[in-house]
Amino acid sequence: AQKVTQAQTEISVVEKEDVTLDCVYETRDTTYYLFWYKQPPSGELVFLIRRNSFDEQNEISGRYSWNFQKSTSSFNFTITASQVVDSAVYFCALSPIVAQGGSEKLVFGKGTKLTVNP
Amino acid sequence: NAGVTQTPKFQVLKTGQSMTLQCAQDMNHEYMSWYRQDPGMGLRLIHYSVGAGITDQGEVPNGYNVSRSTTEDFPLRLLSAAPSQTSVYFCASSYSWDRVYNSPLHFGNGTRLTVT
Repeated sequence: AQKVTQAQTEISVVEKEDVTLDCVYETRDTTYYLFWYKQPPSGELVFLIRRNSFDEQNEISGRYSWNFQKSTSSFNFTITASQVVDSAVYFCALSPIVAQGGSEKLVFGKGTKLTVNP
Repeated sequence: NAGVTQTPKFQVLKTGQSMTLQCAQDMNHEYMSWYRQDPGMGLRLIHYSVGAGITDQGEVPNGYNVSRSTTEDFPLRLLSAAPSQTSVYFCASSYSWDRVYNSPLHFGNGTRLTVT
């Protein structure tokens, strides 16, 4: 069975602080995808990143960076110099990579609500 | 392209009523799925489809039916609504993995359903 744990339910920071959102996952699949999605107050789900299990390189995109560590089954997300517009609920998710099917069987964590105060 | 379109955006039902949540995508995606989002629970998979004519159950399928007669549409039916089905429902779609390697799920904007 697959499971994604986001232990931080809510985080509150002041603008310009760095913040890391934790994600720990469990899976029996040898190959899988990991994702982060953002849900701003308007409610839509915005895709941020997808990584596959055989690529452990960390990724940086502007103020966002992701640290994937297979040894600890973690896929943490860091926002550098946070801004008020980063306020949202962030979801980590996991799906298997199989010959048919996979991405449609995404399993989500419960989300971390980030509030960035001015 | 419109992407993934869900209708209606809001709906109030009485216990025992039936209704269909509509989902359509215009990206020729093979995969489609329905999730429900409840406070503190994240998103949970209800049903999914890997192509026209093929559907399967997710984590929380009870009380819901689906069908996939076309590639574009994947409606979710509530046959007899219950207050426990009060939730925000999201439809999502993506290309098959073997067609587009790095294809993420594309989500609709959600349907907020209240059952009284």
